[in-house]
Amino acid sequence: EVQLVESGGGLVQPGRSLRLSCEASGFTFDNYAMHWVRQVPGKGLEWVSGISWDSGTLAYADSVRGRFTISRDDAKESLYLQMNSLRPEDTALYYCARRGITVTTRAFYFDWWGQGTQVTVSS
Amino acid sequence: QSVLTQPPSVSAAPRQKVTISCSGSSSNIGSNYVSWYQQLPGTAPKLLIYDNDKRPSGIPDRFSGSKSGTSATLGITGLQTGDQANYYCGTWDSSLNTVIFGGGTKLTVL
Repeated sequence: EVQLVESGGGLVQPGRSLRLSCEASGFTFDNYAMHWVRQVPGKGLEWVSGISWDSGTLAYADSVRGRFTISRDDAKESLYLQMNSLRPEDTALYYCARRGITVTTRAFYFDWWGQGTQVTVSS
Repeated sequence: QSVLTQPPSVSAAPRQKVTISCSGSSSNIGSNYVSWYQQLPGTAPKLLIYDNDKRPSGIPDRFSGSKSGTSATLGITGLQTGDQANYYCGTWDSSLNTVIFGGGTKLTVL
């Protein structure tokens, strides 16, 4: 069974850094693009960042570009999100999500999600 | 304020049918495929529909999706109390070059 387990969240002061991890199991990790999606409690979903199966393409939301860095280690079947210069508005539950395999770039969906790790940015 | 517009809430009685709309534009729904997610209270989102109208393995056929022009619709028949959740639509936006989601619709089964 596919499993995605996030870790690394916590309480951090504004301007500091945090590194999130997502351990994957139950599927061939290096065949899939992986993403981070966040959600403020009680609010909607916001895509944060994504990385292609071969790490050749990295993408970021405007709100985090230049501050966050996504990476993956296929040997460890893990996805990471390095978050620098954190702001209070980055406070959210961060989900690791697997992009479903598609035959067209016009199709974009997430077929598996982790349970999330909470990031709180506050002084 | 989401690029995709969903009604904040819908409600219906058990065993009835409900539809949830998702309105976008030519750069997102109008030119790309739509997916739908169910988020039960306190849990992670779960894929319900992908490629506008396809159901992943294990999703009952009570759930259906459709798309017309720049709008998409999620349909749920035979409503159960266990269907009470937030539902989100999602797609790619070719102008913004990003994944976008609707603001979510809370379904109440009365």
